[in-house]
Amino acid sequence: EPEVTQTPSHQVTQMGQEVILRCVPISNHLYFYWYRQILGQKVEFLVSFYNNEISEKSEIFDDQFSVERPDGSNFTLKIRSTKLEDSAMYFCASSAWEKLFFGSGTQLSVL
Amino acid sequence: GENVEQHPSTLSVQEGDSAVIKCTYSDSASNYFPWYKQELGKRPQLIIDIRSNVGEKKDQRIAVTLNKTAKHFSLHITETQPEDSAVYFCAASKVQGAQKLVFGQGTRLTINP
Repeated sequence: EPEVTQTPSHQVTQMGQEVILRCVPISNHLYFYWYRQILGQKVEFLVSFYNNEISEKSEIFDDQFSVERPDGSNFTLKIRSTKLEDSAMYFCASSAWEKLFFGSGTQLSVL
Repeated sequence: GENVEQHPSTLSVQEGDSAVIKCTYSDSASNYFPWYKQELGKRPQLIIDIRSNVGEKKDQRIAVTLNKTAKHFSLHITETQPEDSAVYFCAASKVQGAQKLVFGQGTRLTINP
């Protein structure tokens, strides 16, 4: 069964550093997403992406965040200058239409 | 924007009994309501979903009901088993191509043997 894959599974970084989280969505899906989950809390929407542009973004997704689909398979989330409060599990997801399938996540720890 | 409330936050049932988790949503334009199961340290996994033009949907031991008028929907798990223990999240969205799922706070379900 096809799955969304994410790398790395864990990322530790110093405050102020840039990080890039990588995702390979399911191959025939057209819509791509990033969500995050702070430990013990609910999953929160960050951004949706379709046809090589952002469809919608949340208030969390400020100027420090960007997304890119650099080729036909990868979808990335960049955080330019990480803050302590960016520590969370980041999930990539993709959908063909309504059903969203999530990747296994990248646990980001900002020290 | 949409707001989803989920209750209870924790639920403990005896193996073999039923479990019910309830959610309410605020945006009457929402038309898609999935449920996700998340085991510790794992990804959220879609277990069942329902569109707003349907009142009930069942898949083996899992069922979801939707009341559009009252803006609430519920997950029912019958004949619970230890492997049902997990955190369950409800969500709501307007499906219009790319969508924004708004999640509830989650319910930690524990099945006691």
